[in-house]
Amino acid sequence: NAGVTQTPKFQVLKTGQSMTLQCAQDMNHEYMSWYRQDPGMGLRLIHYSVGAGITDQGEVPNGYNVSRSTTEDFPLRLLSAAPSQTSVYFCASSYDRATYEQYFGPGTRLTVT
Amino acid sequence: AQSVTQLGSHVSVSEGALVLLRCNYSSSVPPYLFWYVQYPNQGLQLLLKYTSAATLVKGINGFEAEFKKSETSFHLTKPSAHMSDAAEYFCAVSDRYPSNTGKLIFGQGTTLQVKP
Repeated sequence: NAGVTQTPKFQVLKTGQSMTLQCAQDMNHEYMSWYRQDPGMGLRLIHYSVGAGITDQGEVPNGYNVSRSTTEDFPLRLLSAAPSQTSVYFCASSYDRATYEQYFGPGTRLTVT
Repeated sequence: AQSVTQLGSHVSVSEGALVLLRCNYSSSVPPYLFWYVQYPNQGLQLLLKYTSAATLVKGINGFEAEFKKSETSFHLTKPSAHMSDAAEYFCAVSDRYPSNTGKLIFGQGTTLQVKP
């Protein structure tokens, strides 16, 4: 198993550009989530999904969109990048929403100039 | 709502000394609790978890944590620090009730420095 994979590892965007961060898992996990990590703030939940076709907002959803058309994939879209979205983004998955033990991807480091 | 507080953003110990990283939680019902470790430029890796079984939980790399309901604490300990333990550590609590969303709420993190 590859576990949770994320692409790209690094990305630089200009303000106003859009892009999609990719996340995939091969563990047949129902639950997937996106976090952003900023210094001194821990991990903050952006969006999550309890299964294919079902998504919901987390703590900091503004400026981000998600969809979950398959069990395996959970892409995160930045609609119009802003410098405040400079962060490290982590995707995570767990077997289901009752399990809570989450497996994390290696992260995407995003810089918006 | 559930919340987590990690006391001390930086902890420094000497190699071979006791490691103690503090975590206090707020929850109206018994939660699930987790400790994750993040090595530089990597994702988070699960160290250990408490899910309502034994209150003393043993994890990987010699770490353990004790769930103390009366103190609403879940402190992480290791008897003897190793240089390879230098990393950032996150405590997390589950958002089990009433919504059972599957969410984890993370603390701000504690950076552990190990001095030779």
